[in-house]
Amino acid sequence: NAGVMQNPRHLVRRRGQEARLRCSPMKGHSHVYWYRQLPEEGLKFMVYLQKENIIDESGMPKERFSAEFPKEGPSILRIQQVVRGDSAAYFCASSSQEGGPTDTQYFGPGTRLTVL
Amino acid sequence: QKEVEQDPGPLSVPEGAIVSLNCTYSNSAFQYFMWYRQYSRKGPELLMYTYSSGNKEDGRFTAQVDKSSKYISLFIRDSQPSDSATYLCAMSARAAGNKLTFGGGTRVLVKP
Repeated sequence: NAGVMQNPRHLVRRRGQEARLRCSPMKGHSHVYWYRQLPEEGLKFMVYLQKENIIDESGMPKERFSAEFPKEGPSILRIQQVVRGDSAAYFCASSSQEGGPTDTQYFGPGTRLTVL
Repeated sequence: QKEVEQDPGPLSVPEGAIVSLNCTYSNSAFQYFMWYRQYSRKGPELLMYTYSSGNKEDGRFTAQVDKSSKYISLFIRDSQPSDSATYLCAMSARAAGNKLTFGGGTRVLVKP
């Protein structure tokens, strides 16, 4: 039973380029969460999505960041015109169809974004 | 002030000792409390989950929640070198749905 999959594991971008991070949830999970971990800091919630819906994006920066979870395919976190401050580890988590606050969130291995 | 405070460590203990970790928080709405373990350059892995106040034990791990003091703890008995990792506390409130609020993590080193 495959866990949460994220790719790429490492991504290097130059300032001004776009970064696309992909997340495939665990089998049977339809709820996806994105978190960002800055160096020497804990994880910070960014966005919570269900298939084709954004449920909570209260942690997303207002500009340059967007997320989607289409009916088919992985969830995508997109960062436009990256800046050095975007360098971080981005983790995706998924939970079961019920999606309540008691549902365990299972984390992927993360994508480490480096902006040169 | 951060919503969840956690001493970053590092906490160094000899093999076999008890590891004691804790977090304090300020949001009284938090009801669900979790401890995650994160090895270097890996994703967090859920260790313990507790709802509201009380104790929960699972093998070598014991989690405690004191909502009146806004304080949670994790104890690891008979620590092993393989327990060396960063331990993250996380919590959520029903009104906030599924959003987890994390502490900054405590780095633990268990020396053989």
